[in-house]
Amino acid sequence: QVHLVESGGGVVQPGRSLRLSCAASGFIFSSYAVHWVRQAPGKGLEWVAVISYDGNNKYYADSVRGRITISRDNSKNTLELQMNSLRPEDTAVYYCARSGTGNYQGWFDYWGRGTLVTVSS
Amino acid sequence: EIVLTQSPGTLSLSPGERATLSCRASQSVSNNYLAWYQQKPGQAPRLLIYGASSRATAIPDRFSGSGSGTDFTLTISRLEPEDFAVYYCQQYGRSPQTFGQGTKVEIK
Repeated sequence: QVHLVESGGGVVQPGRSLRLSCAASGFIFSSYAVHWVRQAPGKGLEWVAVISYDGNNKYYADSVRGRITISRDNSKNTLELQMNSLRPEDTAVYYCARSGTGNYQGWFDYWGRGTLVTVSS
Repeated sequence: EIVLTQSPGTLSLSPGERATLSCRASQSVSNNYLAWYQQKPGQAPRLLIYGASSRATAIPDRFSGSGSGTDFTLTISRLEPEDFAVYYCQQYGRSPQTFGQGTKVEIK
């Protein structure tokens, strides 16, 4: 059974950094692109970033490009999101989600439960 | 980027009724690369439909998707109590992938 479990969220001051992790199990992690999607409190879904199955290709939303880095370790079945220069508008639940097609362009067939990031002084 | 506009914002219906949700794209969605998700409070989204009309694994057949180009529809043929939730469409045909703002289906 596919499982994605996010961790690393918390309260952080504006301008500081935070690193999120997503532990994957139940499938061949190295065969799938994986995404980060976020949801601000009471708001809709926003795609954040994607990394290809082998880690060679990464794409970011304009709203986070230059401040956020997505990475993966296929030997540990983990996905990470390094967030720097955090802003109050980055406050959201961050979900990791698997690409249903395997490549970076696809629907999201499995999601984690999410981890809450709150950026506040 | 492709902007997806969902309507209505809120749909008030009774169990057993038919729900029709609309998702309109600002540009044609290539290859009908459109998905629908259901989200309940405090939960992650759940995939319902991909490729505009293909049901995801274990999704009941009362959920169906249709449409092409810029106009897509999610239909719930007869609402069950567990179907009251927020529904989002997503296009994955062109980067960046984008979501609609959501339609809330509430109990009348």
